[in-house]
Amino acid sequence: DQQVKQNSPSLSVQEGRISILNCDYTNSMFDYFLWYKKYPAEGPTFLISISSIKDKNEDGRFTVFLNKSAKHLSLHIVPSQPGDSAVYFCAASAQYTDKLIFGTGTRLQVFP
Amino acid sequence: GAVVSQHPSRVICKSGTSVKIECRSLDFQATTMFWYRQFPKQSLMLMATSNEGSKATYEQGVEKDKFLINHASLTLSTLTVTSAHPEDSSFYICSAVLRYGDTQYFGPGTRLTVL
Repeated sequence: DQQVKQNSPSLSVQEGRISILNCDYTNSMFDYFLWYKKYPAEGPTFLISISSIKDKNEDGRFTVFLNKSAKHLSLHIVPSQPGDSAVYFCAASAQYTDKLIFGTGTRLQVFP
Repeated sequence: GAVVSQHPSRVICKSGTSVKIECRSLDFQATTMFWYRQFPKQSLMLMATSNEGSKATYEQGVEKDKFLINHASLTLSTLTVTSAHPEDSSFYICSAVLRYGDTQYFGPGTRLTVL
């Protein structure tokens, strides 16, 4: 039972354009969402998070949008850079727990 | 951000042997550490939650006698894969939090290959 899903296994974007990575979840108890970036053979690196009391959080080139009614969140990267090429995982946690449930990841490739 | 290290970064062992993986929080005291494993091209799966000074809490389907977790101090947790089999070959990643509600910081991972 995959509670957090990233339906696009890969995404290819031209440098300078916007990258939009999507994530859907099924558990209505999730109230905190995070995006991590991961390179092969390395641990994930935290990018940005959002609490369920918000619908948008922005940090530099990264913006996360949350649509609670649709149980959907997205990560926007603009402008995309070649160094952004990596696998991006969304993760969710429920209230009163630190346990993270990860999505399956989306491989982003930014080409010049 | 906080720094979490893992040792070794990669290990190759024979079937039937035991392998210990260390996870250390270098610049903070972690009340809780987590252990994940990742199969190729798949998600990170939480194996267990480790709290300093108490027994680890294992996720459903994870054999606690096979994956021994010890959290002896606020900066060190160890995962021991006992009697390793080839199907245990995976990428093992730990994470740590300073306190409840904080962001999890991940270690660089350990690649285990069991021959």
